[in-house]
Amino acid sequence: QSALTQPASVSGSPGQSITISCTGTSSDVGGYNYVSWYQQHPGKAPKLMIYDVSDRPSGVSHRFSGSKSGNTASLTISGLQAEDEADYYCSSYTSSTTWVFGGGTKLTVL
Amino acid sequence: EVQLVQSGVEVKKPGESLRISCKGSGYSFTSYWITWVRQMPGKGLEWMGRIDPRDSYINYSPSFQGHVTISADKSISAAYLQWSSLKASDTAMYYCARHFTASSSFDYWGQGTLVTVSS
Repeated sequence: QSALTQPASVSGSPGQSITISCTGTSSDVGGYNYVSWYQQHPGKAPKLMIYDVSDRPSGVSHRFSGSKSGNTASLTISGLQAEDEADYYCSSYTSSTTWVFGGGTKLTVL
Repeated sequence: EVQLVQSGVEVKKPGESLRISCKGSGYSFTSYWITWVRQMPGKGLEWMGRIDPRDSYINYSPSFQGHVTISADKSISAAYLQWSSLKASDTAMYYCARHFTASSSFDYWGQGTLVTVSS
């Protein structure tokens, strides 16, 4: 099971918007609406930010949104803030009844 | 408050066995699966497998099948990850997470257990 493909890094200035992509196949991202996104600050456990492609758990800022087109899912963060600087991982259910993560994207707030 | 509390730091030698734990509280332990995730030093997250505490049904990632064993004891709301013979390459942070089955996402995470394997 190959990891989903994410860009290694993205950056943006405070107040700007950024988008992180997550590319899989029709056997995972493209086949199910079970894509989730996680934020991980250094030395901390991951935190669920988006589930079922575009739903936000209670308590997660509305600045975080998710979408999907074909085999690629995306996480958009609007109104970038310094506290958003972290690693972000996507995850998807797969046709093998397993789950797979993306390689992770380091977000730098300039 | 939902909490997953993991066992502490482990330092082991190659060839030794190990079991780490993850204890859930603040929710019905048998209503959610538990997933285990590996994070090697400086690397990304890897899904290892999940267990349904109701009946101990397990799915393993092909990458970890045969290398680790996942189990659970619903009577004490605990899940476990164990190795029979550790390798240096098992050095990593291991996280357990509550697996929200309706959405197939991991909604609460333990604090992580750091396992170091070195001679």
